Amino acid sequence: QVQLVESGGGVVQPGRSLRLSCAASGFTFSIYGMHWVRQAPGKGLEWVAYLSYDGTNKNYADSVKGRFTISRDNSKNTLYLEMSGLRGEDTAIYYCAKKQPGSGPVSSDCWGQGTLVTVSS
Amino acid sequence: DIQLTQSPSTLSASVGDRVSITCRASQSISTWLAWFQQKPGKAPKLLIYEASTLESGVPSRFSGSGSGTEFTLTISSLQPDDFATYYCQQYNSNSQTFGQGTKVEIK
Repeated sequence: QVQLVESGGGVVQPGRSLRLSCAASGFTFSIYGMHWVRQAPGKGLEWVAYLSYDGTNKNYADSVKGRFTISRDNSKNTLYLEMSGLRGEDTAIYYCAKKQPGSGPVSSDCWGQGTLVTVSS
Repeated sequence: DIQLTQSPSTLSASVGDRVSITCRASQSISTWLAWFQQKPGKAPKLLIYEASTLESGVPSRFSGSGSGTEFTLTISSLQPDDFATYYCQQYNSNSQTFGQGTKVEIK
């Protein structure tokens, strides 16, 4: 079955960097766009970044633009989120999510269980 | 950026009740709207996409309607498993926006 497993979260000091990974299985990873979405403790969902199936089309939320980089390795069925210049407001559970099939606007039909990032000194 | 406003923020209801949640967009998004259910400690689960299409495996008591700027999620007969937080999401482009969420509580 379709599965997404995030890893790489932890406690990090403000200003430092962290790389999250999302391992995909159960579907042809290389043909789907992918998103990162985060959720601060007790808060709602916030979209973070998008990457097209082939890595050529990227998009970021204004809150992370210039600090976060989304990438993928289709040979390893893995999505990444490189986070630098981390701030307290980046503290959240980070989910990766798979786009639905389709060439037009589509939502996300499968999400990982999330990995917690805590930015604190 | 497109903003989504959900109402109410909290909804208290009983098993068997018919409940509705509204999501308003700051500009027209056609029918590029989805609804998610999230339970504590779990990832969001897709319920409805394109405003009214039920995701595979989702019970038929869930339905969605609307287009343009106003959308509704309706649960026809609330079940114990439905007490959760619900989010609307617009996906008009390769960015997304979520509503602030509606918590459905037991009355």
